[in-house]
Amino acid sequence: DSGVTQTPKHLITATGQRVTLRCSPRSGDLSVYWYQQSLDQGLQFLIQYYNGEERAKGNILERFSAQQFPDLHSELNLSSLELGDSALYFCASSVTGGAEGYTFGSGTRLTVV
Amino acid sequence: TQLLEQSPQFLSIQEGENLTVYCNSSSVFSSLQWYRQEPGEGPVLLVTVVTGGEVKKLKRLTFQFGDARKDSSLHITAAQPGDTGLYLCAGEEYGNKLVFGAGTILRVKS
Repeated sequence: DSGVTQTPKHLITATGQRVTLRCSPRSGDLSVYWYQQSLDQGLQFLIQYYNGEERAKGNILERFSAQQFPDLHSELNLSSLELGDSALYFCASSVTGGAEGYTFGSGTRLTVV
Repeated sequence: TQLLEQSPQFLSIQEGENLTVYCNSSSVFSSLQWYRQEPGEGPVLLVTVVTGGEVKKLKRLTFQFGDARKDSSLHITAAQPGDTGLYLCAGEEYGNKLVFGAGTILRVKS
């Protein structure tokens, strides 16, 4: 158990639908990062939050949004889902930034049918 | 976003052999990290290297950061079946974001 909790582990949904992925960071970590992992793209950075505020944005689609709440848990919202959104979505956390390394959760496997 | 290229993409070796995985970029990173990922799990941090030329050892694994902080290598001595997995290098961009390479799939046969 890494200390980063992601729910749900698996999600199957239809095209056009909206889903919410949840992440609870390791205790004491203020930064939360979301990554998408697919076979052809590898691990792609989506977005980072630090202590409730957006810190950095990657190649995140406009259909995707995220937020970090006062208790530091984070949610990634994916809407108008397409087949190509099927992937593993990972959340990671760190105390402040990347220098000390990230602790990753076990991921949410999203399948869009 | 800076890019990291890993080679080889796939490596299948016999138990007891040595191997080296490379991670290269044309850009400078403030630190470089290596992770190992097993199927169905998230990546797990192995090591962080920060100083150009730095060498770190973790049991049978040796990590090196290039002098110019643009490249790194991971050397495994006497590989074991338990070393099987996906090895990812990640560079820390200034501003804390990690950029990941595509990974090297290592399979160690007994």
